[in-house]
Amino acid sequence: GAGVSQSPRYKVAKRGQDVALRCDPISGHVSLFWYQQALGQGPEFLTYFQNEAQLDKSGLPSDRFFAERPEGSVSTLKIQRTQQEDSAVYLCASSHTLHTSGGAEETQYFGPGTRLLVL
Amino acid sequence: RKEVEQDPGPFNVPEGATVAFNCTYSNSASQSFFWYRQDCRKEPKLLMSVYSSGNEDGRFTAQLNRASQYISLLIRDSKLSDSATYLCVVNIRTTGRAGNNRKLIWGLGTSLAVNP
Repeated sequence: GAGVSQSPRYKVAKRGQDVALRCDPISGHVSLFWYQQALGQGPEFLTYFQNEAQLDKSGLPSDRFFAERPEGSVSTLKIQRTQQEDSAVYLCASSHTLHTSGGAEETQYFGPGTRLLVL
Repeated sequence: RKEVEQDPGPFNVPEGATVAFNCTYSNSASQSFFWYRQDCRKEPKLLMSVYSSGNEDGRFTAQLNRASQYISLLIRDSKLSDSATYLCVVNIRTTGRAGNNRKLIWGLGTSLAVNP
């Protein structure tokens, strides 16, 4: 079946511009995660949804970052007034189970990411 | 100190070599452990979960030592196609709006280059 998809794959924004990044998780996956990966770094957690509920947004770096998943499927990560330090790859992942069991069944499947460059 | 630490490498090894990566974690609330593989400019993909008893998948063996809080990955008979970054991932327990949740904490990754 189809995997996680993200769009756009690449985005160039001028500093101060607002951007919206879309994630289509695997159909039926309950949990959805957003990560930020800077060059040479591992992914850094941003936020987590269980269906439409945003249960953890502790990783969002500032109030310029906002995420939603209104119908429990597609999610959008919005960055307002982009800054150069926002340049990174934004990865979305989904998993089948609730993010509470702690077991291997919580395997996260990643989309290809959106590569954001803020000039 | 980062919660999950790995030697970034790079590890340069010839084809057929055996190579081992180690990873240490600091949070004793860590519940589950994984190795992910990430190719250049691609998304991470699960390589294997790591169990306390140790587990093997073909040429790959993962070990977990809870007492010392480290995880290892051993690759035997390395292939050119094994060249990638290997990310150590720890699932820790957090307390959120819905009670107990968990969060994946990622290491920076260890870069492996297998040479002909």
